[in-house]
Amino acid sequence: AQTVTQSQPEMSVQEAETVTLSCTYDTSENNYYLFWYKQPPSRQMILVIRQEAYKQQNATENRFSVNFQKAAKSFSLKISDSQLGDTAMYFCAFMSVSTSGTYKYIFGTGTRLKVLA
Amino acid sequence: EAEVAQSPRYKITEKSQAVAFWCDPISGHATLYWYRQILGQGPELLVQFQDESVVDDSQLPKDRFSAERLKGVDSTLKIQPAELGDSAMYLCASSGTGGAVAYEQYFGPGTRLTVT
Repeated sequence: AQTVTQSQPEMSVQEAETVTLSCTYDTSENNYYLFWYKQPPSRQMILVIRQEAYKQQNATENRFSVNFQKAAKSFSLKISDSQLGDTAMYFCAFMSVSTSGTYKYIFGTGTRLKVLA
Repeated sequence: EAEVAQSPRYKITEKSQAVAFWCDPISGHATLYWYRQILGQGPELLVQFQDESVVDDSQLPKDRFSAERLKGVDSTLKIQPAELGDSAMYLCASSGTGGAVAYEQYFGPGTRLTVT
């Protein structure tokens, strides 16, 4: 069974600084997808960035980038130039595709990030 | 911009009572997910629909929880009877089929349930 582990329950970073959130996963599959989701306080969850396992190049979305290490089963999120609006819970998620074509997601326990002014 | 709608946003109920949540996915999205999120934890899948069919309900406590998506559009999740341990956020998400990002989930705002 797949598992997703986020070992940092809480983190803080000064505004304009860079922070890295860690995520490791376990799977025996070769084709899968990884995601980082952001859940601001009292607001809905939104997708931050996605990574296809078959792509070697790390995904980047503006100030957000990932370090995908497939062999190590590691998928960390780097937030550059942190902003107060980045304060949120961040969830790492793993997705696989079943033989019937349906998608199965597994989420980590989350990291609470606080950006300090 | 299309969004996943959920109602109610908040629900307080007494234990042993019945409670129901409603979700309307993004138009055209064939896959609908119900998650339970306990405070401070990640979402846990309860049930997943592909159109009107259940494709995964392995984590759904079937003695008290039920879910339906009769016409393959909106969905209802029911708990009867509610227990104190059911207090949580219930999230609905949907995803489309086909295309490069068919697997991308869009989440609704959730229903926060408090059982007293």
